[in-house]
Amino acid sequence: QKEVEQDPGPLSVPEGAIVSLNCTYSNSAFQYFMWYRQYSRKGPELLMYTYSSGNKEDGRFTAQVDKSSKYISLFIRDSQPSDSATYLCAMQRGGRGAQKLVFGQGTRLTINP
Amino acid sequence: DAGVTQSPTHLIKTRGQQVTLRCSPKSGHDTVSWYQQALGQGPQFIFQYYEEEERQRGNFPDRFSGHQFPNYSSELNVNALLLGDSALYLCASSAKGQDYGYTFGSGTRLTVV
Repeated sequence: QKEVEQDPGPLSVPEGAIVSLNCTYSNSAFQYFMWYRQYSRKGPELLMYTYSSGNKEDGRFTAQVDKSSKYISLFIRDSQPSDSATYLCAMQRGGRGAQKLVFGQGTRLTINP
Repeated sequence: DAGVTQSPTHLIKTRGQQVTLRCSPKSGHDTVSWYQQALGQGPQFIFQYYEEEERQRGNFPDRFSGHQFPNYSSELNVNALLLGDSALYLCASSAKGQDYGYTFGSGTRLTVV
């Protein structure tokens, strides 16, 4: 069983729709929860991060973490064609020093004009 | 401000050969991690270098080795290449004391034929 599970999609929605992306995980030691966006032929770009449980909002993006259910979500409001990319959830243990990132498989998202 | 720089961008090698990939971290960053991203998969952690020493290692065979130089740049070496080593190799950098949100380069696309 993988430590982080993410539905690979693909997911295709019309412009303006609300998009919901999700990941589940099995390792209780994870403390940092991140969403990366990866455009074709590019490296991942940090979009959102959350420490421990709770919600975080940044413009059209909202990240939610439910540690009791080991479930994280990313919501995109008023989706735009420029949001079309692969979205990767990533998790990290706490502790001193830089800890390795454990990624989900990534969800390929297309926003249709 | 230059981000993480990787070279070369693309590489084609023959099975059994050896390859060296290079990474220059973002200015001010001193820790370098390497990830392998197979097509349609999330990145997988290979290893991390800090103060010119390997600090953490993922589940990769000894054919994968690395080095960090005094200027914090890093190399990833892969010996006895297999077809399954074909992937996007990503370098991520972070600063001392930075717990999350590493900066990724655009990667090196390695094809083994």
